Amino acid sequence: KNEVEQSPQNLTAQEGEFITINCSYSVGISALHWLQQHPGGGIVSLFMLSSGKKKHGRLIATINIQEKHSSLHITASHPRDSAVYICAVSNNDMRFGAGTRLTVKP
Amino acid sequence: EAEVAQSPRYKITEKSQAVAFWCDPISGHATLYWYRQILGQGPELLVQFQDESVVDDSQLPKDRFSAERLKGVDSTLKIQPAELGDSAMYLCASSSDPYINTQYFGPGTRLTVL
Repeated sequence: KNEVEQSPQNLTAQEGEFITINCSYSVGISALHWLQQHPGGGIVSLFMLSSGKKKHGRLIATINIQEKHSSLHITASHPRDSAVYICAVSNNDMRFGAGTRLTVKP
Repeated sequence: EAEVAQSPRYKITEKSQAVAFWCDPISGHATLYWYRQILGQGPELLVQFQDESVVDDSQLPKDRFSAERLKGVDSTLKIQPAELGDSAMYLCASSSDPYINTQYFGPGTRLTVL
């Protein structure tokens, strides 16, 4: 079993829909990261959080340390949000989930 | 805004050939990471440098892979000889502090071994 599990693996949505991607982890962490990987391969860090909730534009990330669970929400989704979203946890090193491939259709 | 640079962006090679990838981290970042990402999976750490020293290379296949960061700035990852299973995206990332662990990723090098 992977230490970082994401769901769903693939997600297709219509433009404007509210999207949720989930991440569960089984190891102790100092922080959890949400990353966005574009089709060309480059990875962009969206959030790093260790408690509570963070918001940036239409993106919201939450974490529940007791339940070892985090969610990434996208409000009013847009085709340009189409990407792979990767959850990663860090302590002494960084462990990555397999990613969620999001496709937002116009 | 400062970025992590990688080259080449794409590399196609035949098996048994040697390949090399280059990474230039964000200026001042002491920690540099090389990851391999197989299609459909998350990145897997190959090697971590702190300045010019290797901190973690436990997942690096040392029979064919080597990495160096001689002056503690840019880094080279080499595969010799390349095998079909090495086809993947090779990502470089850098961080100013390995304990805070905010890593900045480069665009990656997509390797195809024929």
